[in-house]
Amino acid sequence: DAGITQSPRYKITETGRQVTLMCHQTWSHSYMFWYRQDLGHGLRLIYYSAAADITDKGEVPDGYVVSRSKTENFPLTLESATRSQTSVYFCASLGTSGREPLGTQYFGPGTRLLVL
Amino acid sequence: AQTVTQSQPEMSVQEAETVTLSCTYDTSENNYYLFWYKQPPSRQMILVIRQEAYKQQNATENRFSVNFQKAAKSFSLKISDSQLGDTAMYFCAFAGNQFYFGTGTSLTVIP
Repeated sequence: DAGITQSPRYKITETGRQVTLMCHQTWSHSYMFWYRQDLGHGLRLIYYSAAADITDKGEVPDGYVVSRSKTENFPLTLESATRSQTSVYFCASLGTSGREPLGTQYFGPGTRLLVL
Repeated sequence: AQTVTQSQPEMSVQEAETVTLSCTYDTSENNYYLFWYKQPPSRQMILVIRQEAYKQQNATENRFSVNFQKAAKSFSLKISDSQLGDTAMYFCAFAGNQFYFGTGTSLTVIP
């Protein structure tokens, strides 16, 4: 089905382990984003990508790594997970083709990550 | 720094009544977009309404409308004829050169 998907939907890991969260979109949108959602903070931008092989830091990038070798995929890696990275992670995409309302982000269903 | 502020952490409204959620933002940009997203208990982020900063006319989507005051950097959401399904977290968002969300307002519609 067309849209934006995230995997896994739920993940439990231990401190110090590497974790990769996957994001896949079928719209060929140029921009993709990673946010984390924590109580009292709303959504905070971790990283975003304007196109394949182009990434940039957001508000809270420390401890995270991203890559974008293909337009449709935007994985987020926690290289050494910490308890403070327990959160709900949302991936989003934004089209710039003119077929969608400009500036509008479309969100995946989220990944709940628990770091023990 | 650009910020989005939602000063009402929680609100409630009687079913069929009208409620207004507040949002202010700070930016030095002139061209940008503002959004209200709804997040029900399912956690899915759902776009409610969108406003282009260069348009003076306030956006409207059925029971949802905004009061956009560019000079005051204010972007409030009005929900008319509130329904039980409107119970959710509402986020105000800014999209310009960067993307920012407010901390959210939890709205409860009371039967």
